[in-house]
Amino acid sequence: QSVLTQPPSASGTPGQRVTISCSGSSSNIGSNSVSWFLQLPGTAPKLLIYRNNQRPSGVPDRFSGSKSGTSASLAISGLRSEDEADYHCATWEDSLSGWVFGGGTKLTVL
Amino acid sequence: QVTLKESGPVLVKPTETLTLTCTVSGFSLSSARMAVSWIRQPPGKALEWLAHIFSNAEYSHSTSLNSRLTISKDASKSQVVLTMINMDPVDTATYYCARMFWDYSSGWFFDYWGQGTLVTVSS
Repeated sequence: QSVLTQPPSASGTPGQRVTISCSGSSSNIGSNSVSWFLQLPGTAPKLLIYRNNQRPSGVPDRFSGSKSGTSASLAISGLRSEDEADYHCATWEDSLSGWVFGGGTKLTVL
Repeated sequence: QVTLKESGPVLVKPTETLTLTCTVSGFSLSSARMAVSWIRQPPGKALEWLAHIFSNAEYSHSTSLNSRLTISKDASKSQVVLTMINMDPVDTATYYCARMFWDYSSGWFFDYWGQGTLVTVSS
């Protein structure tokens, strides 16, 4: 069982806006920055969002992140078929002195 | 161009020791703002952080696997090595190395990942 809780699945139709949540606690999300990663089938994770809401160069502004208290969210607007992938959140866990990840959310574009 | 590449055995037997090497390019393991982590992902399951090592060779391990893991680096070879003893079938996973980057505003975060290497534990 992952320290960070994500819904196992999410879905949307092309053009829609979808959000994926990541729930934690005061010792992880509540006190540290959150990153989001996209993982296409059979490939390595790729950084989408860091420091809760910052996009690396090359990541489209359709992707946005936010954090409030002990939860974080990833929003994808203008959904495209190529967005179909697994999405993971991650942050530092103070009580474990280590990194923790969410269980991952599989996004399906209908 | 930053790249990381994992190498090691694809198959190990139960109780054996796994040794994986992460060879990096495009950055220096001696840079204070860079570190390298090992992360694994069992088939169809979540990512799990294993260990990381900083430029000054300070390191940290997952508390759940602490006694089984060793991480080291050779900056001259641009390599980070992870050793895991007493392998078990439940350790079957894709093992990734990832660069950690430090930014004053952001702290540490994973910005580049290797392609991963699938390690199967079976007799």
